[in-house]
Amino acid sequence: DTAVSQTPKYLVTQMGNDKSIKCEQNLGHDTMYWYKQDSKKFLKIMFSYNNKELIINETVPNRFSPKSPDKAHLNLHINSLELGDSAVYFCASSQEGPLVYNEQFFGPGTRLTVL
Amino acid sequence: EDKVVQSPLSLVVHEGDTVTLNCSYEVTNFRSLLWYKQEKKAPTFLFMLTSSGIEKKSGRLSSILDKKELFSILNITATQTGDSAVYLCARSDNYGQNFVFGPGTRLSVLP
Repeated sequence: DTAVSQTPKYLVTQMGNDKSIKCEQNLGHDTMYWYKQDSKKFLKIMFSYNNKELIINETVPNRFSPKSPDKAHLNLHINSLELGDSAVYFCASSQEGPLVYNEQFFGPGTRLTVL
Repeated sequence: EDKVVQSPLSLVVHEGDTVTLNCSYEVTNFRSLLWYKQEKKAPTFLFMLTSSGIEKKSGRLSSILDKKELFSILNITATQTGDSAVYLCARSDNYGQNFVFGPGTRLSVLP
């Protein structure tokens, strides 16, 4: 069974378009994340969601918006795509809490290419 | 900005060698230090360290944390070509959130 899944795996689109990437986890975790990994392989957190509440919002453009319909899903919407948005986007989840080990489980990634 | 620094950034060794990868962090409201291995796709979890001085082992890999000096090391003994990957280190804050990753160490193990 896939623990954290993302769709699509590959996304090729034109500048200016709006696109969404979906993420689902079946681990019962409380917290989900979106990361961007650029061409230099640097992994940077973009958002995290806990119990449907945005708890971290790094300095990403407001063209990016996370949407969580329920605890198991965290989708990433991107408006007016730009060339610099080309990257691999990883979704991850973890169980939050002061008494819980917070190992993160990553999805397979979505490679976004903006032409 | 909280930083996680890894060294070396890249390393080339031959099969059978032992390697030590370093990770240092700057934040003081620290909860855990995590190591991941990333080959072609998503990072996979290796270790989580929360206490100083306690070594964690998994086969040929081991890791230890020094919370006083704010660093961790990842050791790989008797390296194999399958160990070739980028090794990422990350730290989380007191609430187990706000993961900050280092730039990674690219390890290449030659036959």
